Amino acid sequence: EAQVTQNPRYLITVTGKKLTVTCSQNMNHEYMSWYRQDPGLGLRQIYYSMNVEVTDKGDVPEGYKVSRKEKRNFPLILESPSPNQTSLYFCASRATGGAWNKNTEAFFGQGTRLTVV
Amino acid sequence: SQKIEQNSEALNIQEGKTATLTCNYTNYSPAYLQWYRQDPGRGPVFLLLIRENEKEKRKERLKVTFDTTLKQSLFHITASQPADSATYLCALDSASGGSYIPTFGRGTSLIVHP
Repeated sequence: EAQVTQNPRYLITVTGKKLTVTCSQNMNHEYMSWYRQDPGLGLRQIYYSMNVEVTDKGDVPEGYKVSRKEKRNFPLILESPSPNQTSLYFCASRATGGAWNKNTEAFFGQGTRLTVV
Repeated sequence: SQKIEQNSEALNIQEGKTATLTCNYTNYSPAYLQWYRQDPGRGPVFLLLIRENEKEKRKERLKVTFDTTLKQSLFHITASQPADSATYLCALDSASGGSYIPTFGRGTSLIVHP
C-alpha cells in the first residue's frame, strides 16, 4: 500500500530538548516536504527536498532542520524546541517532473501533533 | 507576491444540494491545480487534478473547473451528503528549477446538514 508514515503521532516535550520527527515513504518519490498547520493559517511549508541530498527552505524554516540521506526518509529535526513550535506537522511526498501524463498528487502522512511546554 | 485565496468562512448547505467552493490565485502561472480534502487532525487526501489546458474535470459527484483567465477554480460537489463535511484545500503548482512545487490555500470548511 502506498503510504507516508510519520512518527510519533503525538509528542509532548519541554523547551530546549532536541527532538526528531521521522517521515518515510514507500513510493520512490523524489519530492518530500514538511508542513506545519496552525488554526487559521493553513498549511505552511517548512522545508522541502527535490531529491537525495537536495533540501531547501520553505516559508517558515526558522528553528527546524532536515536531512535527506536516503530517498525514502526525510526527518524533521527541532534542535531546541520552543512553545511557538507547538503545532500539527505533516510530511508529504510526490513524484516530480512536468511530464504531461504524470500523476503529481501529493501523499500526506497522518500527522504529528507536537506540544512544547 | 503569490497568493491563493479560499473563502475562510464555512460553507453551510443542506443535504442533496450542490456545494461550490472557490479558489482564486494571483501572481501564479500554474501548470496544475489540485483539490484535497482534509478531515480534522488528519492529513489532506488528494481528490482531483486539473491541468492548465483543461476547462473541466469530473470524478463521480465531484467537478472542478479551471479558468486561467479569471485565475480561478471552482470545486463542485453535487448531491452533497453529511459525509462530505470536511475542509477542502486547493493547491497550485508552479515551476521552480524544472520541477513543480505545490503551495496550498488555507482551505474552506464545508458543513452539510442532514
